[in-house]
Amino acid sequence: GQQLNQSPQSMFIQEGEDVSMNCTSSSIFNTWLWYKQDPGEGPVLLIALYKAGELTSNGRLTAQFGITRKDSFLNISASIPSDVGIYFCAGKDSNYQLIWGAGTKLIIKP
Amino acid sequence: NAGVTQTPKFQVLKTGQSMTLQCAQDMNHEYMSWYRQDPGMGLRLIHYSVGAGITDQGEVPNGYNVSRSTTEDFPLRLLSAAPSQTSVYFCASSYSELSNTEAFFGQGTRLTVV
Repeated sequence: GQQLNQSPQSMFIQEGEDVSMNCTSSSIFNTWLWYKQDPGEGPVLLIALYKAGELTSNGRLTAQFGITRKDSFLNISASIPSDVGIYFCAGKDSNYQLIWGAGTKLIIKP
Repeated sequence: NAGVTQTPKFQVLKTGQSMTLQCAQDMNHEYMSWYRQDPGMGLRLIHYSVGAGITDQGEVPNGYNVSRSTTEDFPLRLLSAAPSQTSVYFCASSYSELSNTEAFFGQGTRLTVV
């Protein structure tokens, strides 16, 4: 089946640092999505990307849809404590089904 | 609006018991889906529905049934619970299958099968 490789699995960062995570796929996707999940909650949509090459921002978050349609990255600038959580990428295939990455856990060092 | 509401939030079952996880949305969304989330893995699709009266299997449907008698409700039934079904279950909805996002998730049901 289709697989998404999301990296890194976890990140320890200092407050104020920039963060970068990415997802790669063995298959082409028509849509890339980035979600954040807080403990005890469901995922919340952060950014949706619909076209290859598209670069979209949402506040301090920036995400890009790779030209090959097989990858995407998410950057967070000037991280703050409320950025902690698990970030998931998800790709939507031609059957409109979402395939999810395993998540990147963001931890801010005290 | 309440969004997507899942009940219960926590449940412990014995092996072989059956139960229904409830999911309701009040946004008149056509598309609803059920996922399970296991440690270190992304969400995996169990079943989905593109509208009332229509359901289909996702990636991991075995051991689960669904029905969609109304637009609002999409219950997930465990027929005979097994320890392998210990997981966190999420229900999600979006306006339609063609809309590009599962925009709304419930808070999840944490199920333990002993």
